Amino acid sequence: AQKVTQAQTEISVVEKEDVTLDCVYETRDTTYYLFWYKQPPSGELVFLIRRNSFDEQNEISGRYSWNFQKSTSSFNFTITASQVVDSAVYFCALSRDRGSNYKLTFGKGTLLTVNP
Amino acid sequence: NAGVTQTPKFQVLKTGQSMTLQCAQDMNHEYMSWYRQDPGMGLRLIHYSVGAGITDQGEVPNGYNVSRSTTEDFPLRLLSAAPSQTSVYFCASSYSSQDYLYEQYFGPGTRLTVT
Repeated sequence: AQKVTQAQTEISVVEKEDVTLDCVYETRDTTYYLFWYKQPPSGELVFLIRRNSFDEQNEISGRYSWNFQKSTSSFNFTITASQVVDSAVYFCALSRDRGSNYKLTFGKGTLLTVNP
Repeated sequence: NAGVTQTPKFQVLKTGQSMTLQCAQDMNHEYMSWYRQDPGMGLRLIHYSVGAGITDQGEVPNGYNVSRSTTEDFPLRLLSAAPSQTSVYFCASSYSSQDYLYEQYFGPGTRLTVT
């Protein structure tokens, strides 16, 4: 069975602080894919990143960075110099393999509030 | 492209009523899925389809039916609404490929309240 744990239910920071959102996953598969989605207050789900289990390189996109560590089954997400517009619920998700892309297992989400 | 569209955006039902949530995509995606989102629960998969005529159950299928007669449409039917089905429902679609994993595109959601 697959499982995604986002232990941080809510995080509150002040603008310009760095913040890390934790994601720990469980799977017995050797091939799997990890995702992060953002859900702003408007409610839509916005895709941020995908990572496959064979690629442990960290990724940076502007103020966003992701740290994938297979040894600890973690895929953490860091926002540098947070902004009010980053306020949202962030979901980490897991897919078994390319052929199961339609079946995502989501964590329960972390509500990030960035205060001015 | 309109992407993934869902109707209605809001709906209130009484216990025992039935209704269909509509989902359509114009991206020629083979894969389509329905999720429900409840407070503190994340998103949970209800049903999914890997192509026209093919559907299967997800994690929480009870009380819901689906069919996929065309590539574009994937309606979700509530047979006899119950208060436990009060939730926000998201439809999603994606390309299928054995060589590359595509992300899912989500619709704007339908907020359903069952009284």
